[in-house]
Order: sequence, then C-alpha cells, then structure tokens
Amino acid sequence: QVQLVQSGAEVKKPGSSVKVSCKASGGTFSIYSISWVRQAPGQGLEWMGRINPILDISNYAQNFQGRVTITADRSTNTAYMELSSLRSEDTAVYYCARGVGATRGGDTFDIWGQGTMITVFS
Amino acid sequence: SYVLTQPPSVSVAPGQTARITCGGDNIGGKSVHWYQQKPGQAPVLVVYDDSDRPSGIPERFSGSNSGNTATLTISRVEAGDEADYYCQVWDSSSDVFGTGTKVTVL
Repeated sequence: QVQLVQSGAEVKKPGSSVKVSCKASGGTFSIYSISWVRQAPGQGLEWMGRINPILDISNYAQNFQGRVTITADRSTNTAYMELSSLRSEDTAVYYCARGVGATRGGDTFDIWGQGTMITVFS
Repeated sequence: SYVLTQPPSVSVAPGQTARITCGGDNIGGKSVHWYQQKPGQAPVLVVYDDSDRPSGIPERFSGSNSGNTATLTISRVEAGDEADYYCQVWDSSSDVFGTGTKVTVL
C-alpha cells in the first residue's frame, strides 16, 4: 500500500522560500499525478497545483501563479513544492495528495501525506 | 473562478441521516468527490465520482449529483462520523474545494 511521507515542520521568515518534500513509500507514484493542498489554521482546503511526473508537466492555481513551483524526481519517487516570497498568510499545513483520474476530468485524491506545518514568523 | 458552497454546519442525532449539500453552477455536469477530515488529521476520501465509495468506506456513505447541487448522505450516523466534510470538483484545469461543513453528532 502506497504511503506519502512528507518532510517535517519548518519556521520561515517573511520574504523567504520553503521547499516541502513528499516521498511515495511502498510503491511508485509515476503513473499518478501529485497535487499540493494547503489548509490555514481553522480554515478550509485550498488546492495549489499538481504535477504529472511522467510528462513532467505542472499546472498551478491562479492564486499561486508565479510563487509556487512543483517538481518531481521519478528516480526517488519524491515530489516537491516550493513556495517563495512567504508572508504570514502562508502559515498553514501543506499536504501532498495522489491524484487518480476522475470520470469527467481532473483528479480525485485517494492518498494523502501526513501534512507539513509551515509557520511564517518574523 | 468556480465556487462551491456548503452549509457551515449540520447537526444530527446518532442513528439518523445527515445530508451535506455542495452547490455550484451546473455541478451536475462535473465529477464530485467528498472528503472527511477529523481534527489534526489529513483528509480521507469517502466518495468519488459523485457516488462511488473507495474500499474500506462504509456503505452508510453515499452521494448524488444533479443540477446545481451535489449531496453527501451519511445514514445511521455514528459518533465517529463527527468531522469536517469537503466537496471537490475540477473546473478550468484547476481543482476546487467547497467551503466545508462541520458535522456534529448530538
């Protein structure tokens, strides 16, 4: 059974960048997409973007265009999400999730990582 | 951007039925997925493609989707069903989550 294991919590200063990793253990994610979803304290889920590891193509939510970069290393079954120009509003738990194609387009997220808390604090 | 609207909260007595709605423009033409999230935990997929259940999800969880409203139904509600629930669709190359509904078991 595939599990997604994320890197640990980080505290960053405003204006800096953070890179979070998501490793698939017990299998490979190559045939699936990997999305990143964040959740600010007490708030709902917000989709940030996805990568297709086979095609090495990423697409991003409009809210994060220009600030987020999602990459994948197929040799290590690891996906990465880098968010730049951090501000206090980016304080949140960041999740990776495996995307399985849905009947009428897009993905459903059947496996999730445990989440990574990113705190932006001066 | 596409907006999915859910009621902030739903309260239900044990053994009764909870219905959680997810409203969106012509959502009936899209695949709707539902997630359950308990405090401090990652979301868990409970219904996908409107009405299919992943393995391990009880039959008490069911879904429907038509017109401008999708619905997640939880039958014979148990204390362990208390959680936040989110709907999700794909629109214009982006995934969108609903605003979330907190289900309280009385």
